[in-house]
Amino acid sequence: EAQVTQNPRYLITVTGKKLTVTCSQNMNHEYMSWYRQDPGLGLRQIYYSMNVEVTDKGDVPEGYKVSRKEKRNFPLILESPSPNQTSLYFCASSPLGRSYGYTFGSGTRLTVV
Amino acid sequence: SQQGEEDPQALSIQEGENATMNCSYKTSINNLQWYRQNSGRGLVHLILIRSNEREKHSGRLRVTLDTSKKSSSLLITASRAADTASYFCATDQGSNYKLTFGKGTLLTVNP
Repeated sequence: EAQVTQNPRYLITVTGKKLTVTCSQNMNHEYMSWYRQDPGLGLRQIYYSMNVEVTDKGDVPEGYKVSRKEKRNFPLILESPSPNQTSLYFCASSPLGRSYGYTFGSGTRLTVV
Repeated sequence: SQQGEEDPQALSIQEGENATMNCSYKTSINNLQWYRQNSGRGLVHLILIRSNEREKHSGRLRVTLDTSKKSSSLLITASRAADTASYFCATDQGSNYKLTFGKGTLLTVNP
């Protein structure tokens, strides 16, 4: 089944403890992206990648890192999480081109205490 | 930055009725897309309409695009309880394939 897999689904952590949210897609998509969704603010892009070893900042990149060493994987790294990073996170992928929508993962609900 | 803005914010209808949601945006676009999100779950792509298209259909969905007014509408015909979800419009307006999402319309279809 074509899908984007995120892990974990839920995570509670403490301020300052480094964490990684994994994202993997099995559709050979070039484009991958991370969004966070917050009440009243909607979905905002954190980082994106157009291909292996090519990443760039989205609208809200502060406090996050990403890497794209393989085409299928695009992990989101929080080096020192803070409570304002408590949010619902989504990974998405798509082929490059103007005719395609995103395929989203099921989301990771992160709470930083 | 917010690009698409959906209207209304919330809509409640009876099963069998049609539901119409609107989206307005500010700058020129490559395409506009609609997504559905069930509570707390991932977004599901519904339909994409290119900037040179005016109308598109997919099953019970009909999307229109008016680039002169910078607006789009999503019509769901013969709504079902299973259509209860939040609906988002998203615009592709740059060179980096980024989608900018609106804040969504919460649709409730009552049995």
